[in-house]
Amino acid sequence: DIVMTQSPDSLAVSLGERATINCKSSQSVLYISDNKNYLAWYQQKPGQPPKLLIYWASTRESGVPDRFSGSGSGTDFTLTISSLQAEDVAVYYCQQYYITPLAFGQGTRLEIK
Amino acid sequence: QVQLQQSGPGLVKPSQTLSLTCAISGDSVSSSSSTWNWIRQSPTRGLEWLGRTYFRSKWYNDYALSVKSPITINPDTSKNQFSLRLDSVTPEDTAVYYCVRGLGTGGSYMDVWGKGTTVTVSS
Repeated sequence: DIVMTQSPDSLAVSLGERATINCKSSQSVLYISDNKNYLAWYQQKPGQPPKLLIYWASTRESGVPDRFSGSGSGTDFTLTISSLQAEDVAVYYCQQYYITPLAFGQGTRLEIK
Repeated sequence: QVQLQQSGPGLVKPSQTLSLTCAISGDSVSSSSSTWNWIRQSPTRGLEWLGRTYFRSKWYNDYALSVKSPITINPDTSKNQFSLRLDSVTPEDTAVYYCVRGLGTGGSYMDVWGKGTTVTVSS
């Protein structure tokens, strides 16, 4: 099974500053045949289900602000929030959908400094 | 706009069966570009994928083998919904359960989530 590991577990960033969250998979999630990374990022606020932000490692879901971006390939990925807003306080998860069982990272809690 | 409406009991006794249903609007359970998943979340295990059902000329199911309680996920084409059955539950199965649409013909990312059902396993 693929194991997803995020770092850090929690992060405090000042409003307007950049926030960076890392995700590492225990094996590559890059499918050579279509050159796509089967990696998604989600945002979860208290009392709500997770919300899809990014898929294929770097494609923003419709309606997601462009301050959110995803990068990386193979086993190492990053979610970047370019200028933190108050509404971005949440827990963020990465997830691989390359192979079953689908797997999520343990989550990174993002707060305002 | 795709929506998922979950239903089912919030309290189940140990050794009994947990049953949840997810009604789909705006898509079809028989869609050849979607998968229909159950995911649960607890403080101890985080987000845990349980399994999925999907149609690609015929019906397929995949399950997480790490879950101790036997899992069954079934589509119901007459009602455009799918269900989760977890047998012989224990307190470890206490969690928030989500039904989720996966989008994509190969690997699928989770783009639409139900609101979640909090299930407690307790006598």
